[in-house]
Amino acid sequence: GAVVSQHPSWVICKSGTSVKIECRSLDFQATTMFWYRQFPKQSLMLMATSNEGSKATYEQGVEKDKFLINHASLTLSTLTVTSAHPEDSSFYICSARAPRGGHSYNEQFFGPGTRLTVL
Amino acid sequence: AQSVTQPDIHITVSEGASLELRCNYSYGATPYLFWYVQSPGQGLQLLLKYFSGDTLVQGIKGFEAEFKRSQSSFNLRKPSVHWSDAAEYFCAVGPPSSARQLTFGSGTQLTVLP
Repeated sequence: GAVVSQHPSWVICKSGTSVKIECRSLDFQATTMFWYRQFPKQSLMLMATSNEGSKATYEQGVEKDKFLINHASLTLSTLTVTSAHPEDSSFYICSARAPRGGHSYNEQFFGPGTRLTVL
Repeated sequence: AQSVTQPDIHITVSEGASLELRCNYSYGATPYLFWYVQSPGQGLQLLLKYFSGDTLVQGIKGFEAEFKRSQSSFNLRKPSVHWSDAAEYFCAVGPPSSARQLTFGSGTQLTVLP
């Protein structure tokens, strides 16, 4: 099946530093990946759509200069939280869209998530 | 704009009892419908999906869901709950013919009593 990994699974950083989170599709190529944020006991909120080889599309209210997204290859998208602050602490989840032509097209496959804690 | 409502924040059932988790959606057309499960500190696992066709959908782990167009609902059911089913369950909708822009419900926390 389609497997999506995230690294790291958890990270603790000091306020003001930047943190990079990687999202990889392990056994398929993903032209589109998605980044979600989840606060404790809450649902997933879409932050941005990451398209390979082009700029990411950010949802309303998400600061693109703070949450930098790069989708440099068909199997890797990265989210960099720049100048992190305690309010950025959250659970970040990525997903990858199944490739066209397969029986799972029109599905998103989710990574295990990254827990970010900013001190 | 599309929206998803999961009216039950928390449900508690005894092991072996039946389960129904409610999901209602608001969308201009029949969307793609999904149910995901999330264990603590984990990502989401797809339980089942509805794109078209038979309105009763079978999923993994013994779950099923029924799409009712007239009620704009996609309720998740399981005839006999196991202790390992305790988790957070999310209903999601997406536009027809696309996996873009999934909108998630607020989730239902399931507790299973021994």
